[in-house]
Amino acid sequence: GEQVEQLPSILRVQEGSSASINCTYENSASNYFPWYKQEPGENPKLIIDIRSNMERKQTQGLIVLLDKKAKRFSLHITDTQPGDSAMYFCAASGTGGYKVVFGSGTRLLVSP
Amino acid sequence: SVLLYQKPNRDICQSGTSLKIQCVADSQVVSMFWYQQFQEQSLMLMATANEGSEATYESGFTKDKFPISRPNLTFSTLTVNNARPGDSSIYFCSSSRENTLYFGAGTRLSVL
Repeated sequence: GEQVEQLPSILRVQEGSSASINCTYENSASNYFPWYKQEPGENPKLIIDIRSNMERKQTQGLIVLLDKKAKRFSLHITDTQPGDSAMYFCAASGTGGYKVVFGSGTRLLVSP
Repeated sequence: SVLLYQKPNRDICQSGTSLKIQCVADSQVVSMFWYQQFQEQSLMLMATANEGSEATYESGFTKDKFPISRPNLTFSTLTVNNARPGDSSIYFCSSSRENTLYFGAGTRLSVL
């Protein structure tokens, strides 16, 4: 099955700086890579995703990069704010969002 | 999108007892899944709930311990049998639509 590795586990940044989270996957058949943000006591919420036919996607201060050859994808949060502090999970799956496998999570802490 | 309503939100039970968690979707969905999340850890796929047939379990999860029902395309239940303190975690139902995975609010279970 698929395995997804995620680093770092904890990321501390200053407000206004950028934050980057990196993930790798094993199954070359994976073609869908979502990112979820989970705040304390809440369920995970999709913030951005990228499919295997793309290398880069950007929306509202979030950038996702996908390197299929290296089986690596990453999330970059620009101009971080304290409200960005949360757990972030990368994930990978095949067609249809079936059997989505999650990374181990990154706790992002943005200090004022 | 898909809205998933889960209940109970939280529960406390004694070791050896059973707990049933219900999940209702706001519309018919083909795929429903159950995830387990320990505090500050990743989301582990437990099983895929199949309409009208037995659930498909992932490694480490069994139907005897976690029986799942899916009588129709909007409803699923997860039962935790013979609950142990090690089962204390959050259980999420989820569903996929247009390749996006959505989560219910989760059920926080504490086993004494």
